[in-house]
Amino acid sequence: AQTVTQSQPEMSVQEAETVTLSCTYDTSENNYYLFWYKQPPSRQMILVIRQEAYKQQNATENRFSVNFQKAAKSFSLKISDSQLGDTAMYFCAFMDSGNTPLVFGKGTRLSVIA
Amino acid sequence: GAVVSQHPSWVICKSGTSVKIECRSLDFQATTMFWYRQFPKQSLMLMATSNEGSKATYEQGVEKDKFLINHASLTLSTLTVTSAHPEDSSFYICSADLLVSGGTDTQYFGPGTRLTVL
Repeated sequence: AQTVTQSQPEMSVQEAETVTLSCTYDTSENNYYLFWYKQPPSRQMILVIRQEAYKQQNATENRFSVNFQKAAKSFSLKISDSQLGDTAMYFCAFMDSGNTPLVFGKGTRLSVIA
Repeated sequence: GAVVSQHPSWVICKSGTSVKIECRSLDFQATTMFWYRQFPKQSLMLMATSNEGSKATYEQGVEKDKFLINHASLTLSTLTVTSAHPEDSSFYICSADLLVSGGTDTQYFGPGTRLTVL
């Protein structure tokens, strides 16, 4: 079974600075999807960024980018120019194929400090 | 695009009653939807996979007779908590799977339902 590990329960960053959230996973699959979801205090799960394992290029979405290291099974999230609205719980998630459940890490609580 | 709604957002009920939670994909069709449960300050725990037109697949330890799931259309899945008890109090979240042309597959989440059983 696949597992996802987020080793940083809590992190904080100064506004406008850059922060990196770590995620590692374990799978024997070759093709799969990786995601970062954000859960603010409202508890709405919001898709931040997605990476297909067959793509070598790291995904980027505005201030959010990933460092995908397939051989190392690592999928870290970098948030640049952190904003107060980035304060949230961040979950790394794995999906091995279409229409299958997500496997979540335990989450990292990020606080952006003014 | 890719909006998922959930209703109700918050429900309080008496012990022994049943509660139905609806999950709708508003602007896309979803063959597969998922139901998760989240305890405070914890990650999401998968309860079941809901496939349109067929029986749901429940995770180990989830009572299928207590948590009834119906996926009658490509845009609606419902979760009914039958004979609810205080230990069923939790935050329930659904997601809908969107597969777009080119093979990109993503799950989009509803806003969640807070269930409080008195």
